[in-house]
Amino acid sequence: SQQGEEDPQALSIQEGENATMNCSYKTSINNLQWYRQNSGRGLVHLILIRSNEREKHSGRLRVTLDTSKKSSSLLITASRAADTASYFCATDAGANSKLTFGKGITLSVRP
Amino acid sequence: EAQVTQNPRYLITVTGKKLTVTCSQNMNHEYMSWYRQDPGLGLRQIYYSMNVEVTDKGDVPEGYKVSRKEKRNFPLILESPSPNQTSLYFCASSPRTSWRYGYTFGSGTRLTVV
Repeated sequence: SQQGEEDPQALSIQEGENATMNCSYKTSINNLQWYRQNSGRGLVHLILIRSNEREKHSGRLRVTLDTSKKSSSLLITASRAADTASYFCATDAGANSKLTFGKGITLSVRP
Repeated sequence: EAQVTQNPRYLITVTGKKLTVTCSQNMNHEYMSWYRQDPGLGLRQIYYSMNVEVTDKGDVPEGYKVSRKEKRNFPLILESPSPNQTSLYFCASSPRTSWRYGYTFGSGTRLTVV
């Protein structure tokens, strides 16, 4: 069952611009996580935000969480060509550590 | 290096021929899980394990089996593969406190069933 829904499905920006990706979910969560996947490779954990947090930073990444709207956004500042990848949000909603993933956003950063 | 190792990386097999995809982690993680990734469907959980000898079904368990006899290993077994199991498979692990650390994923196994 799909929990997170990312928006937009695809995003193309110029190097140096900021990229904003959104995720909406349906049920209450313990935390929300963002992952990056380079073409056909394994997913890499980027950042995790707990349900009682509103904003978190990690390097060029900024994630926000609005539990009242059941939504999150991931901002990548000063994008680089190496940021070209698919990005997934995943929600942890239960006691068994299960993560439910969205379908992903394809980000292309043009040099 | 802390990692999740899956083998094989690529596999082409015929319908009905039993196969096993191995997964091993060296981080002493309690939690392990298998996902399949298909275009337009994202990642869907097949099975997961909270600890040794504890496994449970995910969202799409039909046609798959798993076992967790040791903490580090979590093989995925396809007893009688069918073409609709052609997919990209990922194994993942996390400590029990995954809310703090997130998952570590393997590099994936691309399976084709003809």
